[in-house]
Amino acid sequence: AQSVTQLDSHVSVSEGTPVLLRCNYSSSYSPSLFWYVQHPNKGLQLLLKYTSAATLVKGINGFEAEFKKSETSFHLTKPSAHMSDAAEYFCVVSGNTGGFKTIFGAGTRLFVKA
Amino acid sequence: DADVTQTPRNRITKTGKRIMLECSQTKGHDRMYWYRQDPGLGLRLIYYSFDVKDINKGEISDGYSVSRQAQAKFSLSLESAIPNQTALYFCATSDPRESKNIQYFGAGTRLSVL
Repeated sequence: AQSVTQLDSHVSVSEGTPVLLRCNYSSSYSPSLFWYVQHPNKGLQLLLKYTSAATLVKGINGFEAEFKKSETSFHLTKPSAHMSDAAEYFCVVSGNTGGFKTIFGAGTRLFVKA
Repeated sequence: DADVTQTPRNRITKTGKRIMLECSQTKGHDRMYWYRQDPGLGLRLIYYSFDVKDINKGEISDGYSVSRQAQAKFSLSLESAIPNQTALYFCATSDPRESKNIQYFGAGTRLSVL
């Protein structure tokens, strides 16, 4: 069985400071992991994906995530927050065994203060 | 133009009414999905279709039905809407030939059932 837990429902940072959005997953086999971003009144956009080629994954807009198997984590980070980063972020785990089952985390809303 | 288009973007209806949400895509993907998003719950899968002749229930299909009219079109129907179906609905597509089952989302339909 697969599951995904986003540890914070809300995160607030000041502009220019680092961002950390935490995600833990559970999977009985090697998972595919993603981060999506949803800006207000918009659909979800893929930020980055874990492909098993490298544990540190770089995405769009300066975001990156590190896959840590020993900790079953896939935390999203950015060195310096920008006002335009304010959005909701979803960690997603997907099946890799010929099925497609995709599980979304509950989401973390990121607030960026000026 | 958007690759995944949902219509309408917003809809208000009354309890007991039948309503259809439409999704069309220009990505040429075989796989299409319908999700609903509720605050604090992330996205939950209602139905999915791997091709025109394939329809499958997701985790919360009760009260919903779907129709895959063509590769590019996947409609979601609420036969008799009820207030707890008030939510934000997303259509998504994916290509099994693309690595890791990345999904591409429409902008969403906000449905209110009074």
